[in-house]
Amino acid sequence: AQRVTQPEKLLSVFKGAPVELKCNYSYSGSPELFWYVQYSRQRLQLLLRHISRESIKGFTADLNKGETSFHLKKPFAQEEDSAMYYCALNQAGTALIFGKGTTLSVSS
Amino acid sequence: KAGVTQTPRYLIKTRGQQVTLSCSPISGHRSVSWYQQTPGQGLQFLFEYFSETQRNKGNFPGRFSGRQFSNSRSEMNVSTLELGDSALYLCASSDGTGKSNYGYTFGSGTRLTVV
Repeated sequence: AQRVTQPEKLLSVFKGAPVELKCNYSYSGSPELFWYVQYSRQRLQLLLRHISRESIKGFTADLNKGETSFHLKKPFAQEEDSAMYYCALNQAGTALIFGKGTTLSVSS
Repeated sequence: KAGVTQTPRYLIKTRGQQVTLSCSPISGHRSVSWYQQTPGQGLQFLFEYFSETQRNKGNFPGRFSGRQFSNSRSEMNVSTLELGDSALYLCASSDGTGKSNYGYTFGSGTRLTVV
């Protein structure tokens, strides 16, 4: 079965600390993975796509097919990073399978 | 480009009624997909339409249906509403090829409350 697992519901860190949001997936085939972010009172927006291999707002994510993971990392968290983060798997180019999401809380 | 537009923003309906939600995608996008977002289940895929044809469907009862018009606008209908249908309904727009660097662009959603 195709599935995305985000094991942490809440991750609390201090400003300047490193952040790693975990994401594991189950997919038979070549996966295409995304990270989406939802800031308070804003719409869901794309943060990263594994194919593009870019860094957005200091965040990076590497697809590890051996461990079936796509963890989101940032070396130094900022207060404005506080949001809900969703890992998502592209299903046949027509649908996204989302994890349950992780709330990141960054405090000073 | 204008973003994804969902109407109405809020709806309150009574159990047993039906409801229709609308989504206008980004100009030039031919794919619209719908998701239900609840605190307990998170984001769940309902269905996807491309060029007026349903290409994919999630695991929801037949009370949930949709359609897409020739201008790519899409509607979602829920019949015989139940309390558990209370949720934020999101639609997402894409070019439908799966190759865009922009992935799926989401609307602000329609907040449906069933009483």
